[in-house]
Amino acid sequence: DSGVTQTPKHLITATGQRVTLRCSPRSGDLSVYWYQQSLDQGLQFLIQYYNGEERAKGNILERFSAQQFPDLHSELNLSSLELGDSALYFCASSVAHSGASGELFFGEGSRLTVL
Amino acid sequence: AQSVSQHNHHVILSEAASLELGCNYSYGGTVNLFWYVQYPGQHLQLLLKYFSGDPLVKGIKGFEAEFIKSKFSFNLRKPSVQWSDTAEYFCAVNAPYGGATNKLIFGTGTLLAVQP
Repeated sequence: DSGVTQTPKHLITATGQRVTLRCSPRSGDLSVYWYQQSLDQGLQFLIQYYNGEERAKGNILERFSAQQFPDLHSELNLSSLELGDSALYFCASSVAHSGASGELFFGEGSRLTVL
Repeated sequence: AQSVSQHNHHVILSEAASLELGCNYSYGGTVNLFWYVQYPGQHLQLLLKYFSGDPLVKGIKGFEAEFIKSKFSFNLRKPSVQWSDTAEYFCAVNAPYGGATNKLIFGTGTLLAVQP
């Protein structure tokens, strides 16, 4: 158990819909990262938040957005869903946003299936 | 920009065979290097990491990796694999002092199947 909690574990929805994925980081971790894992793209970094502020942005579509709340949990919002958005979405957390302690701790992921 | 290459996409071994998975990265500055493992249906777990010091790093479950700075490589090894090592292995890198983020850049992964 990494200490990172993600909900829901599985989600099935239709094209055009909107979903929200939730992540609670390890206790004490201020940084949250979102990754997308698909068969054809591998593990792609989407976005990072640190203590409520966006810190780094990766290959995140405009249809996707995220935020980190004062209690440090984070939500990833996916809208106008397409079939190609079907993937495993991982959340990870770390203590700092940068620096020597670079280890990330991953949650179990939310598997999104778009039909 | 940083990138990570894993040259072996699929590896099939028999139990007790030795394993070496290649990983090369591109980044000119100081890097942290990681190997993560993903067992079927599970989340990513850290196998081992290199931050500094001895370039030969030992991790869990008998895995080790060697950082060779001149080759920009961080290959994963295990002398004798077991059926339970069947999983996907990811090499990853971040640049702790090269920017404002600890984000990990992952390789494409190597799927290891160990036959009993």
